[in-house]
Amino acid sequence: AQSVTQLGSHVSVSEGALVLLRCNYSSSVPPYLFWYVQYPNQGLQLLLKYTTGATLVKGINGFEAEFKKSETSFHLTKPSAHMSDAAEYFCAVNTPQGGSEKLVFGKGTKLTVNP
Amino acid sequence: DTAVSQTPKYLVTQMGNDKSIKCEQNLGHDTMYWYKQDSKKFLKIMFSYNNKELIINETVPNRFSPKSPDKAHLNLHINSLELGDSAVYFCASSRGRQNTGELFFGEGSRLTVL
Repeated sequence: AQSVTQLGSHVSVSEGALVLLRCNYSSSVPPYLFWYVQYPNQGLQLLLKYTTGATLVKGINGFEAEFKKSETSFHLTKPSAHMSDAAEYFCAVNTPQGGSEKLVFGKGTKLTVNP
Repeated sequence: DTAVSQTPKYLVTQMGNDKSIKCEQNLGHDTMYWYKQDSKKFLKIMFSYNNKELIINETVPNRFSPKSPDKAHLNLHINSLELGDSAVYFCASSRGRQNTGELFFGEGSRLTVL
């Protein structure tokens, strides 16, 4: 079974500092990997995804993530945090099933950005 | 124009009652889902339907019954509500067979069972 582990349930950074949110996955087949963001009282929104090809993927709002097969990791980074980045971030792995996506989510990392 | 809309947004009810949550998507997607997010923010898939056909049923108690009258709608009915059912329930949709992994989520329905 595929699974995702997010290291650190809470991450706090200063505005302008580097953001690094960690995600490791377990998969018996080549994984499709995703980062979603959830702002307070809202649904989830896709930030970026890796399926095949280039291992460094860029997403919305200046975020990017690098797929490292040897480390089974897919960490999310942003060079300079903005106050508006404060949210819950979820890493996920996909197991397509019968014409349906089946996203397995990590437990989430809450990002706090301090002024 | 909201892409995936759920009603109601908030639901407070007593143990033992029956309640329903409705979901509609106007994206033309073939597949719809219900996810449950618990108090620790953990998200778990409950059901998925592809073109009105049940695809995924993740060991959810049979008190939970999804219904998809057409591919744009997926409703969730819960019988005999228990305290542990308190959570935020998210509806989502995707294109289905393209396996992009991109789900479009509604804003959630917060269920509180007293």
